Amino acid sequence: KNEVEQSPQNLTAQEGEFITINCSYSVGISALHWLQQHPGGGIVSLFMLSSGKKKHGRLIATINIQEKHSSLHITASHPRDSAVYICAVSPITQGGSEKLVFGKGTKLTVNP
Amino acid sequence: EPEVTQTPSHQVTQMGQEVILRCVPISNHLYFYWYRQILGQKVEFLVSFYNNEISEKSEIFDDQFSVERPDGSNFTLKIRSTKLEDSAMYFCASRARGTHYEQYFGPGTRLTVT
Repeated sequence: KNEVEQSPQNLTAQEGEFITINCSYSVGISALHWLQQHPGGGIVSLFMLSSGKKKHGRLIATINIQEKHSSLHITASHPRDSAVYICAVSPITQGGSEKLVFGKGTKLTVNP
Repeated sequence: EPEVTQTPSHQVTQMGQEVILRCVPISNHLYFYWYRQILGQKVEFLVSFYNNEISEKSEIFDDQFSVERPDGSNFTLKIRSTKLEDSAMYFCASRARGTHYEQYFGPGTRLTVT
């Protein structure tokens, strides 16, 4: 069983649309991360959350610890937002290395 | 802005050969990680390293793998005898001391084993 599940796997939107990507996890965590992976492969951290909500520009991330669920929202989507968005969690473990356990990612394509 | 660097960007090797993948983490970071991503699959944790020793490793990180911080700046991943299934993108990451600090990823090394 995957510890981190994302939906949808693939998402196609028209420029300007509001986008939501969902993430559910099954383990106790110290933090949840949203990451962006571009076609070249590089990974960039977008958000790290342990509670509540964070906003950077057009991106908003929320987390509900009780429900073990997080969402990433993109407002006024743009073709440059096209990428794979990955949810990852830091499981609570003894030793606390804060390794990341990754979801499979959501491939977002925004058409002009 | 400080960044994690990795060399080489692409390494092609023959099965059974040893490879060393190199990473230079951000200078004031204390926790270091290796992850890998087989083509088309999710990113997987390999190993974490703190205070000059492995703090956690996954089942993937068997005796063929080793990590080292030889000189206080580089962080290396060695695969002793590569297999075809080691072909993947390998990412190094680092983070600052303390909890709830984000990890910064390098650009990755694409390893192709033929």
